[in-house]
Amino acid sequence: LAKTTQPPSMEAYEGQEVNVSCSHTNIATSEYIYWYRQVPHQGPQFIIQGYKDYVVNEVASLFISADRKLSTLSLPWVSLRDAAVYYCIVTGDTNAYKVIFGKGTHLHVLP
Amino acid sequence: NAGVIQTPRHKVTGKGQEATLWCEPISGHSAVFWYRQTIVQGLEFLTYFRNQAPIDDSGMPKERFSAQMPNQSHSTLKIQSTQPQDSAVYLCASSRDNYEQYFGPGTRLTVL
Repeated sequence: LAKTTQPPSMEAYEGQEVNVSCSHTNIATSEYIYWYRQVPHQGPQFIIQGYKDYVVNEVASLFISADRKLSTLSLPWVSLRDAAVYYCIVTGDTNAYKVIFGKGTHLHVLP
Repeated sequence: NAGVIQTPRHKVTGKGQEATLWCEPISGHSAVFWYRQTIVQGLEFLTYFRNQAPIDDSGMPKERFSAQMPNQSHSTLKIQSTQPQDSAVYLCASSRDNYEQYFGPGTRLTVL
């Protein structure tokens, strides 16, 4: 049973900012939030991780609500290369290695 | 850094034949993971090695699947007597710890 809930799909035009939401209402205090993305014919690629508040790197930013039950991955200025399935993962307990991928959010980018 | 290397990228076998898939983790990573991905089931955990030792194979079908990690530089996933339902993309990942994982491109196995 996946620990997270994401919208199944989203659509955006090139150049737009995209915000992908993820609900993790039963997140434990020991758990972190990870985001991966997968493009066709490749394995998932790690994007960003966070525990609380706000995290940013060269690819994306991650906002985590104060109660940690909701996180939002923000992709600035999406391009066609950002079209992928985005997975939100919650893990960090003793079985942290057993990453459970849900269905993810399929981001379609329009030219 | 070449990333995680998986060979072959594509493999076609006949029903009942054996298939061996190879994975070379990123140098210095102590953990290796195997996953299977299909459209219907999504991405499923199969097994996990840490410092070459098998830690958890709870996702492995018990009868025909086996995985080994004879040294730090490679791991193999062997499927005996392949069946059409084994057709999938098999993904290998490695990590320095139990968290952030780096995936290879996968091996697409087709069983005819």
